[in-house]
Amino acid sequence: EAQVTQNPRYLITVTGKKLTVTCSQNMNHEYMSWYRQDPGLGLRQIYYSMNVEVTDKGDVPEGYKVSRKEKRNFPLILESPSPNQTSLYFCASRPMLVGAGELFFGEGSRLTVL
Amino acid sequence: AQKVTQAQTEISVVEKEDVTLDCVYETRDTTYYLFWYKQPPSGELVFLIRRNSFDEQNEISGRYSWNFQKSTSSFNFTITASQVVDSAVYFCALSRDSGYSTLTFGKGTMLLVSP
Repeated sequence: EAQVTQNPRYLITVTGKKLTVTCSQNMNHEYMSWYRQDPGLGLRQIYYSMNVEVTDKGDVPEGYKVSRKEKRNFPLILESPSPNQTSLYFCASRPMLVGAGELFFGEGSRLTVL
Repeated sequence: AQKVTQAQTEISVVEKEDVTLDCVYETRDTTYYLFWYKQPPSGELVFLIRRNSFDEQNEISGRYSWNFQKSTSSFNFTITASQVVDSAVYFCALSRDSGYSTLTFGKGTMLLVSP
């Protein structure tokens, strides 16, 4: 089954404790992206990657890191989480078609930073 | 810069009513793509439609229809004879005409359909 898998789905952590949210897709998509969703703000892009070893900042990259060492994986790293990073996070992927194709989303990871 | 505005934060209707969700976009590109996604209470994001700027024909899929008006930069979504299962947050999104482009989302409209 074609899918984007995120882990963990739910996490409660404390300020300053490094954490990684993993994202993996099995569709051989070149493009991957991370979004965060907050009430009243919709979905905002954190980082994206067009292919292995190619990453770039989205609209709200502060406090986050990413890496793309393999095509299928795109982890989101919070080196020192803070309460304002409490949010619902989505990983997404899509193929690099001519024109903009739809994004395939993971199920979301709800993160709470105390 | 690209921008998507969904002015309706929340809409409440009674089952079987028709409802239209508005989406207005801003872009300097002459070609682009528009999308709608649904987020039910379970939280996942479900793709509904993708439309490129070349194609201004309206589209109908069952009870769903989309009205694309390039002249007013709008891509409105209508649900006919709404059902309780339509209750969700609906997002409109915009992308440049490129496989390298990112999606810019509106803030979403929460639709509540009551029995």
